[in-house]
Amino acid sequence: KNEVEQSPQNLTAQEGEFITINCSYSVGISALHWLQQHPGGGIVSLFMLSSGKKKHGRLIATINIQEKHSSLHITASHPRDSAVYICAVLFMNYGGSQGNLIFGKGTKLSVKP
Amino acid sequence: EADIYQTPRYLVIGTGKKITLECSQTMGHDKMYWYQQDPGMELHLIHYSYGVNSTEKGDLSSESTVSRIRTEHFPLTLESARPSHTSQYLCASSGRVNTEAFFGQGTRLTVV
Repeated sequence: KNEVEQSPQNLTAQEGEFITINCSYSVGISALHWLQQHPGGGIVSLFMLSSGKKKHGRLIATINIQEKHSSLHITASHPRDSAVYICAVLFMNYGGSQGNLIFGKGTKLSVKP
Repeated sequence: EADIYQTPRYLVIGTGKKITLECSQTMGHDKMYWYQQDPGMELHLIHYSYGVNSTEKGDLSSESTVSRIRTEHFPLTLESARPSHTSQYLCASSGRVNTEAFFGQGTRLTVV
């Protein structure tokens, strides 16, 4: 069964802290995406990963295919990073009524000044 | 440039109206998806399509309907909008070889 688990559900940090959000999945995947959603706003794609690590500014995303796990890191966090971060996994198999593109429940991040 | 478009971005509409949310992609992707996200909640699959003239319901029951007459378009229709349909609707697509997904920016629907 295609499953995605994301943690933590909520995260509060002080400005400047290093932040890690985790995503685990159940079976073989084609790609994993990290998305950002601001309150009242649309969804923005941050990274697509199929292996290794990617970096964009203060954001770093890693994936371990063997362990079926990905992390999103934010260095030197800032209040403008406050948003919901969502892991979306594109599974190799079709998954019936779930489809093969499944979202985690999201992590609500709040960075305090 | 590869992209996926949703229109409108925001829509406020009265109860009983018929509405269609548009989703178009320029990449020739076979697979397209619609997700619904109630306020403060997670995204759930409501419809998907693996090609022209192919549509399936997702694991979240929805009163909306979809069609896939052309590869690039996957519109979602509500025949008679109700306040319970107030939600964010997200469209996505992925290619035949399943290498990557692309996401629309979402349509925030409010039914008053």
